Amino acid sequence: AQSVTQLDSHVSVSEGTPVLLRCNYSSSYSPSLFWYVQHPNKGLQLLLKYTSAATLVKGINGFEAEFKKSETSFHLTKPSAHMSDAAEYFCVVTTNTGGFKTIFGAGTRLFVKA
Amino acid sequence: DVKVTQSSRYLVKRTGEKVFLECVQDMDHENMFWYRQDPGLGLRLIYFSYDVKMKEKGDIPEGYSVSREKKERFSLILESASTNQTSMYLCASSLRGTVSGANVLTFGAGSRLTVL
Repeated sequence: AQSVTQLDSHVSVSEGTPVLLRCNYSSSYSPSLFWYVQHPNKGLQLLLKYTSAATLVKGINGFEAEFKKSETSFHLTKPSAHMSDAAEYFCVVTTNTGGFKTIFGAGTRLFVKA
Repeated sequence: DVKVTQSSRYLVKRTGEKVFLECVQDMDHENMFWYRQDPGLGLRLIYFSYDVKMKEKGDIPEGYSVSREKKERFSLILESASTNQTSMYLCASSLRGTVSGANVLTFGAGSRLTVL
């Protein structure tokens, strides 16, 4: 069975400080891992994707994530938060078990203070 | 640059009404999906389709049906709307997955349905 746990429902940072959004996963098979972002009243947009190539994945808008198999984690980071980063972020796991199965985390809402 | 279009952004319906949510994609994607999004629950899959006239139940299909008569269009139908179906509905599409990993989902902007 597979699952995704986003460890924080809300994260608040000040503009210019680092961002860390945590995600742990459980999967019996080699997973593909994604981070999506959702701005208010918008659909989800892909930030980055891991599919068994480099373990450090760079995405859009300065975000990156590191796949750590031993820790079953895929945390999202950004060195310096911007006001426009305020949004909800979803960690997503997909495995191919004879058909693709996709599980979404519950989401982490990021607040950025001026 | 619009790729996945959901026809209605906001709808208000009464209990027992039939509701149609339409989704159209212009990327020639094989796969299309309907998700429901509720606070604290993330996205839950209602139905998906890998091809025209093909449909598969997702995790929460009860109370919903779908139709895919053309490759680019995937409709979600609530035969008799109920208050517990008040939610945000998101349509997505993707290319058929490959052995190297699943393909990216492209989402529409969402349809917020309120059932009174």
